[in-house]
Amino acid sequence: KAGVTQTPRYLIKTRGQQVTLSCSPISGHRSVSWYQQTPGQGLQFLFEYFSETQRNKGNFPGRFSGRQFSNSRSEMNVSTLELGDSALYLCASSWGRDRPTEAFFGQGTRLTVV
Amino acid sequence: ILNVEQSPQSLHVQEGDSTNFTCSFPSSNFYALHWYRWETAKSPEALFVMTLNGDEKKKGRISATLNTKEGYSYLYIKGSQPEDSATYLCAHPGYGNKLVFGAGTILRVKS
Repeated sequence: KAGVTQTPRYLIKTRGQQVTLSCSPISGHRSVSWYQQTPGQGLQFLFEYFSETQRNKGNFPGRFSGRQFSNSRSEMNVSTLELGDSALYLCASSWGRDRPTEAFFGQGTRLTVV
Repeated sequence: ILNVEQSPQSLHVQEGDSTNFTCSFPSSNFYALHWYRWETAKSPEALFVMTLNGDEKKKGRISATLNTKEGYSYLYIKGSQPEDSATYLCAHPGYGNKLVFGAGTILRVKS
């Protein structure tokens, strides 16, 4: 069973640009969540998508957005990049809908904004 | 406790030592408590999902206990090995599949 796949693994962008990150969940999982980790910070929840609907959003500015496709693949977009957006972005897939089940994480995308 | 708190922040032990760390979480409206292990250059991997007060789970040399009334969980590692070196995270679920993570405990095991 293939795991959670995130692409690209590494990305360097310039301040002001936008970026799109992709996440393919485990087959059969309909929930995809995104997390950000910056130096010195724990994993911060960005948002969750379930069956193409955003059900949950963390405390991040509107520059952070996402979507989920009918095959459960998800994309996260960050517009007008700032230096502080440099971070590791992890996505996690779960099969549960109403009861939080074990999350399976991808290896992350390391974004550097210069 | 409003957030998930973990202690200690880091731990250095010798191979063969047993160790434990603590996770404190909001005790009201308890639903579940997750433990994850995150090795360098890898993905976080689930160790345990605990749901019942008094629950005790075990995976090899690693075990965890849960006290939902007082809002804490302990993770124990018996006979630490260098391959146990990782960051250990606990998380409290929010709505849906949202997880609220603690800052983690960094464990380094010296051989």
